[in-house]
Parts: sequence; C-alpha cells; structure tokens
Amino acid sequence: GAVVSQHPSRVICKSGTSVKIECRSLDFQATTMFWYRQFPKKSLMLMATSNEGSKATYEQGVEKDKFLINHASLTLSTLTVTSAHPEDSSFYICSAMDWRTDTQYFGPGTRLTVL
Amino acid sequence: DAKTTQPTSMDCAEGRAANLPCNHSTISGNEYVYWYRQIHSQGPQYIIHGLKNNETNEMASLIITEDRKSSTLILPHATLRDTAVYYCIAVLTGANSKLTFGKGITLSVRP
Repeated sequence: GAVVSQHPSRVICKSGTSVKIECRSLDFQATTMFWYRQFPKKSLMLMATSNEGSKATYEQGVEKDKFLINHASLTLSTLTVTSAHPEDSSFYICSAMDWRTDTQYFGPGTRLTVL
Repeated sequence: DAKTTQPTSMDCAEGRAANLPCNHSTISGNEYVYWYRQIHSQGPQYIIHGLKNNETNEMASLIITEDRKSSTLILPHATLRDTAVYYCIAVLTGANSKLTFGKGITLSVRP
C-alpha cells in the first residue's frame, strides 16, 4: 500500500508555543489530506480536510485559527497548533487520499504533549 | 454515511481464523465498506474494502452479504501481531470520502 509519513513522531512543548506537524505522501500525489486527533482510549476524530492549493475545511467545533493547515504541494500538508495549551495534548494523525484506489492511507501519528 | 455496528471485543487463538463481523443495515447502494485496524499508539492501517463482491488480498478477505447489510472480515491465520482495534466504515468514495471512526472491535489473539 501507499506510504504516508509524519514528522515529528513525538513532541513536547511549553504552554503558549506553536508546534508544526508535517504529513507527507511518499510514493503518490495527494490532492486531499485529512487531519485527525485521538485522545486516550477514544476513537479518531476528524479535525479538517486539507486540499492542495485551497483553504482547509474544518469540522464543527475545531478552531481554524488555532489549528492552521497548509497544503502547499501535492505531497505535503502541515498542521500548526498555535499557542498550544495542555488540553491540546493528544495524538495527531494525518491521512492522504490515494485517488488511484479511492483509499485513505494514514501516517504513523504525532504524540503532542504540552506542559 | 451509513452507521456501522461492531461487537466490542473478541478473541481468537493464534493460527486460527479470526472472523470479525460488522452490521451496516442502512448502507446505501454506492457506499463502500472499508476496514482499517489500529495497533496501539500507531496510525490506522488500511486492510481492505469492497462494494458488493467478496474481496481478498494478502492481509484478509472481506465477505459482504448479498443484501449488503453486513460483512465479515476474515484474517485466515491470526498471529499475535494482529491484536488491534479493527474499524469497519461505510463511506462514499470520491470527493465526500470522510471516514467516521466508531469504537471498532478489539481483537485479542491469544498464544
């Protein structure tokens, strides 16, 4: 299957700082990528849909000014958590849509801890 | 997208087949059934998907009933590494392909 990477895999930051997470499709082009968040013992929750060359579409309840998404190329989307607070600590996972097979492939996730 | 229901958990013995059921009684004619699994602290892994016909790949088989109201994911020879949460998702493909993850079924493979 197609491969999606995320960087970093783990990040610890101080409250008030911003953190950028990268999501890359390694062996296919992805015009659409998705960002999810997962709290402990909970299921994945979709945060936003990222479309190459246009603005992201956010799910209800997700603050677009806090979670900045940029999808500047066909293989890279970034999620920036601005002014992070402890309640933003979570497992952030991206996926990329491979239109050749109509299948979303997921990255390995980024564990964010805000102190 | 149609709601899916899965048992909370099941277990099976290593080397035996694991049959994971999923109900999707309100599935529409153009919704596919996708299966993913998530091993602890990792991103979900795609397993298989299908529309009407049964499907098989190197990981698993997907059996969809004729009325499409339920399906079964079959892992033919379960190993300890197959212990994970398995998600069955009914979704339209194309521009509206948002995956909605439920609670999934926790499969425990015992030695």
